[in-house]
Amino acid sequence: ETGVTQSPTHLIKTRGQQVTLRCSSQSGHNTVSWYQQALGQGPQFIFQYYREEENGRGNFPPRFSGLQFPNYSSELNVNALELDDSALYLCASSLSAGGPYEQYFGPGTRLTVT
Amino acid sequence: DQQVKQNSPSLSVQEGRISILNCDYTNSMFDYFLWYKKYPAEGPTFLISISSIKDKNEDGRFTVFLNKSAKHLSLHIVPSQPGDSAVYFCAASFSDSNYQLIWGAGTKLIIKP
Repeated sequence: ETGVTQSPTHLIKTRGQQVTLRCSSQSGHNTVSWYQQALGQGPQFIFQYYREEENGRGNFPPRFSGLQFPNYSSELNVNALELDDSALYLCASSLSAGGPYEQYFGPGTRLTVT
Repeated sequence: DQQVKQNSPSLSVQEGRISILNCDYTNSMFDYFLWYKKYPAEGPTFLISISSIKDKNEDGRFTVFLNKSAKHLSLHIVPSQPGDSAVYFCAASFSDSNYQLIWGAGTKLIIKP
């Protein structure tokens, strides 16, 4: 059984650019959640996708957007990058949504915005 | 406004002793609580959870206690082992929010040999 994978591992971008981060969910999971973890803080919920539809969103501006594909892999897109977007971005998959399903995390993508 | 707080950034415990990690929350709507463990360069891994209808849940060396009146939960690790050295996150959720997780800032646990 393959776990959650994320790509790339590290990324350096310039302020104002756009970035796409990718996540492959664990086999059999149809729900993906994305989190932003700034240094020294806990993860903050960005949004969740369930069966290709957005299923909840945290307090993040619209320049943070996502997609989930028919194979349940997912992308996180961030437009007009700001310095404060520098963080570890974590993706987690779960068996389903709407219940206290265990979330399985990938190793994250470290984004640095200069 | 931090709804979930872990007030100890770090904790150092002797191997074999008990480790107690604490977490406070402010939102009385939370009805499900979890602890995650994170090693460097890895994603968080689920450790143990507790529903608000219980006050204790045990899994091997790990026990989580929930005190709803004090809005406080704690994770006990007995006995502590070197492999337990990691950052521990407390997270909370409630059914009306589709069980989206609200996380604390984490406590770095160091087990001394």
